[in-house]
Amino acid sequence: NAGVMQNPRHLVRRRGQEARLRCSPMKGHSHVYWYRQLPEEGLKFMVYLQKENIIDESGMPKERFSAEFPKEGPSILRIQQVVRGDSAAYFCASSQVRSDYGYTFGSGTRLTVV
Amino acid sequence: TQLLEQSPQFLSIQEGENLTVYCNSSSVFSSLQWYRQEPGEGPVLLVTVVTGGEVKKLKRLTFQFGDARKDSSLHITAAQPGDTGLYLCAGENYGQNFVFGPGTRLSVLP
Repeated sequence: NAGVMQNPRHLVRRRGQEARLRCSPMKGHSHVYWYRQLPEEGLKFMVYLQKENIIDESGMPKERFSAEFPKEGPSILRIQQVVRGDSAAYFCASSQVRSDYGYTFGSGTRLTVV
Repeated sequence: TQLLEQSPQFLSIQEGENLTVYCNSSSVFSSLQWYRQEPGEGPVLLVTVVTGGEVKKLKRLTFQFGDARKDSSLHITAAQPGDTGLYLCAGENYGQNFVFGPGTRLSVLP
């Protein structure tokens, strides 16, 4: 009964490259949420997806960032043309239903842009 | 925009001491969660409170939701080094996405 799986755990990209972050939700969970955490800060909501649909992307920057959750396979957070300010920990959480009882988080992907 | 404030920002205490950390907002939340996050890991859900005035206990941890559902507190009795971590509160307002506070970083020294 694996939890939320994120990979890679660490990702280093040069400025201008693309970063692809993957998240496999817990078995049976069809709701996925992406959050970003800067050093010494709390988590900032980015996007909420259900299978094949983006439900709320109000926290996602308008440019360079995109997210998907296909029918088959993990959810992907994609950052194009990365800049140093994109360096952060990116966490994915999942839930079985749209729940107000808390999320199960993955261990995160730490993106470093050099 | 709903904002959650947490205090203190940092707390360093000796093993065996008691402590309370706070989570405050000017907004009403339908539910509020507390998470603990250890370095290099994701947040782990500790508790969810949904009713104003609710008190929940989890071993040495006591969580309280304010009567007006705008604030919460976490009290730890006889803290242990294993309690060290970043404590985050998060609130949800009736179907909106969770809003997280900046956290309280607790260090319990042996």
